[in-house]
Amino acid sequence: GEDVEQSLFLSVREGDSSVINCTYTDSSSTYLYWYKQEPGAGLQLLTYIFSNMDMKQDQRLTVLLNKKDKHLSLRIADTQTGDSAIYFCAESRGGGADGLTFGKGTHLIIQP
Amino acid sequence: EPEVTQTPSHQVTQMGQEVILRCVPISNHLYFYWYRQILGQKVEFLVSFYNNEISEKSEIFDDQFSVERPDGSNFTLKIRSTKLEDSAMYFCAVRLLDYHEQFFGPGTRLTVL
Repeated sequence: GEDVEQSLFLSVREGDSSVINCTYTDSSSTYLYWYKQEPGAGLQLLTYIFSNMDMKQDQRLTVLLNKKDKHLSLRIADTQTGDSAIYFCAESRGGGADGLTFGKGTHLIIQP
Repeated sequence: EPEVTQTPSHQVTQMGQEVILRCVPISNHLYFYWYRQILGQKVEFLVSFYNNEISEKSEIFDDQFSVERPDGSNFTLKIRSTKLEDSAMYFCAVRLLDYHEQFFGPGTRLTVL
């Protein structure tokens, strides 16, 4: 079945760049997403990338996709304390009612 | 971005009781989804719903679960006879037609005692 893997923790210093990595197994994945979850809150869609793209930039966020290796990364430039959260990678085949398959999430810890 | 609210924010119930979780999307013409997140684990897809019927469901979505949109507005998830292992955050998500992004509600925390 489909699987999405992420490392559980990432610690960075405030002002540095954070790079959160994700690998997936489903070669039919059409859309890949990054969601952010702050403590006690729901899932906020940050950004997504279509499988025929290899990069997407949106302000401080850069998504890189290596489709051959099924590897996705999210880079957050100039990491701030407000970026402290769990970041989930998710994929879907893009079908009408297709559910998302999520990774376990990466806890981003910001050091002052 | 469609707005989604969920009620209640926290539900405590006894094992064996029925619970109904509600999702109130603001826009029309949507796909609806339920997901759950057991504490410390990944978010898991339960079911998707479109045009008043189930479109897809995961193996988690067994006979004790059901979904409906009885009044054309609220989208509900019913758990008929709750078990301890049903304790989790339950998230509703919606998707507009012709778009692929899913937007999540704030979740309902279900605690089964």
